[in-house]
Amino acid sequence: GQQLNQSPQSMFIQEGEDVSMNCTSSSIFNTWLWYKQDPGEGPVLLIALYKAGELTSNGRLTAQFGITRKDSFLNISASIPSDVGIYFCAGNSGNTPLVFGKGTRLSVIA
Amino acid sequence: GAVVSQHPSWVICKSGTSVKIECRSLDFQATTMFWYRQFPKQSLMLMATSNEGSKATYEQGVEKDKFLINHASLTLSTLTVTSAHPEDSSFYICSAAGLGTDTQYFGPGTRLTVL
Repeated sequence: GQQLNQSPQSMFIQEGEDVSMNCTSSSIFNTWLWYKQDPGEGPVLLIALYKAGELTSNGRLTAQFGITRKDSFLNISASIPSDVGIYFCAGNSGNTPLVFGKGTRLSVIA
Repeated sequence: GAVVSQHPSWVICKSGTSVKIECRSLDFQATTMFWYRQFPKQSLMLMATSNEGSKATYEQGVEKDKFLINHASLTLSTLTVTSAHPEDSSFYICSAAGLGTDTQYFGPGTRLTVL
């Protein structure tokens, strides 16, 4: 079945630094989604990508759908304390269920 | 837009009882709803996919008689954990997707604790 490899597993950064995380899949995806989950809450959609090469921004967040359709990255610029949380990538191809990465746990040191 | 609610947000029950969790799409019609469970510090595990008016499709290893799913309308799906046991304690999260889209919007989750 489809597998997603998300890295890094965790990050400790200073406030103000930029952050980058990425996901790679074992097969081609038609959709890449990036979510953020705070403790005890459901994931919140950050960015949705639907086309290979697509680069989309949402405030300080930028995500790209890789040209090969097997990878995606999420960048956060000028991190702030409220960026703390777990970031999940997810993707699928066609009518298959979403596959989730294992998450990147982000800690921001003020 | 694209708001999904869950009720209750948390529940504590005795072993052997059944618990119903509701998932509602508040501002859009969800042709497909998904139920996940999440253990601490782990990713989301898909339990089942439900389409309005039809039987749910369960993932391998998920007991359909234990986790009853009903998707009676385009805005409501329910998950009933029957004869709950302590090992069923988990964070249950639903998501909903509109017609023709793969983008899922998640509810806030329900924390179930079975004593």
